[in-house]
Amino acid sequence: GESVGLHLPTLSVQEGDNSIINCAYSNSASDYFIWYKQESGKGPQFIIDIRSNMDKRQGQRVTVLLNKTVKHLSLQIAATQPGDSAVYFCAETPSNDYKLSFGAGTTVTVRA
Amino acid sequence: SQTIHQWPATLVQPVGSPLSLECTVEGTSNPNLYWYRQAAGRGLQLLFYSVGIGQISSEVPQNLSASRPQDRQFILSSKKLLLSDSGFYLCAWSFAAYNEQFFGPGTRLTVL
Repeated sequence: GESVGLHLPTLSVQEGDNSIINCAYSNSASDYFIWYKQESGKGPQFIIDIRSNMDKRQGQRVTVLLNKTVKHLSLQIAATQPGDSAVYFCAETPSNDYKLSFGAGTTVTVRA
Repeated sequence: SQTIHQWPATLVQPVGSPLSLECTVEGTSNPNLYWYRQAAGRGLQLLFYSVGIGQISSEVPQNLSASRPQDRQFILSSKKLLLSDSGFYLCAWSFAAYNEQFFGPGTRLTVL
C-alpha cells in the first residue's frame, strides 16, 4: 500500500553542523508535503511546506528539497542548535485531500 | 491570530470508563478539524476529520466517536475505554484541504 517513511529513525548531529533529514514516499499522487517538528510532550509544529510544482523552498535556517522522480523529500537545517533537538515528521497529501499521511519520524539529537 | 486549545492535558482513566476530550479553535471560522492519535515513539494516525458542523468522517473503525456541536468545537468520545486507547491525542485545524494543519498541545491518555 501507499506509505510515507523516513530513511533513518535517529540522527545525532554536532551543534553548529548542518542536519539533513530524509523522507521517502510512495504515493505518486502526492502533491503537497509538510515537515513538522515535535518536541517531547507537545503537539507537532509546522516548519515548512512545499508543493509538487517546486523542487526547493527555503525558510529561516531550513530548506526543503523535493525530488518527484524518486519520490524523495529532505529537510536541511543549517547551523543546528540545541533547540533543534526533536522528532521530525514528514507528511504528504494528494491535492484537494483533507488527509495528511505522516511518516514514523526521525529523532534528532544535537550534541554540544 | 488563531489558537487551538485542548483539555485536559493529561487523563488517567480505568478500562470501561467513558471518555470526553475537547478541542476548540479561536480566531477563525469554519475550520477543518482533525483528531489524531499518536502511540509512543510512533507517527500520527488520523482518527476523524470534520469539514463543518455535524459533518464527521471516520478513518479508523474503533470504539471512539467524534462530534462537532459548534463551528470551532470538536469532541472525541468513547463509551467504554480499552487499554489500547492509551496514547497521545492531538487535535488539529486547517483553513481548507491541501493546506498545513496546525496542532494543539495534545492530551496524554492512560487507560489502566
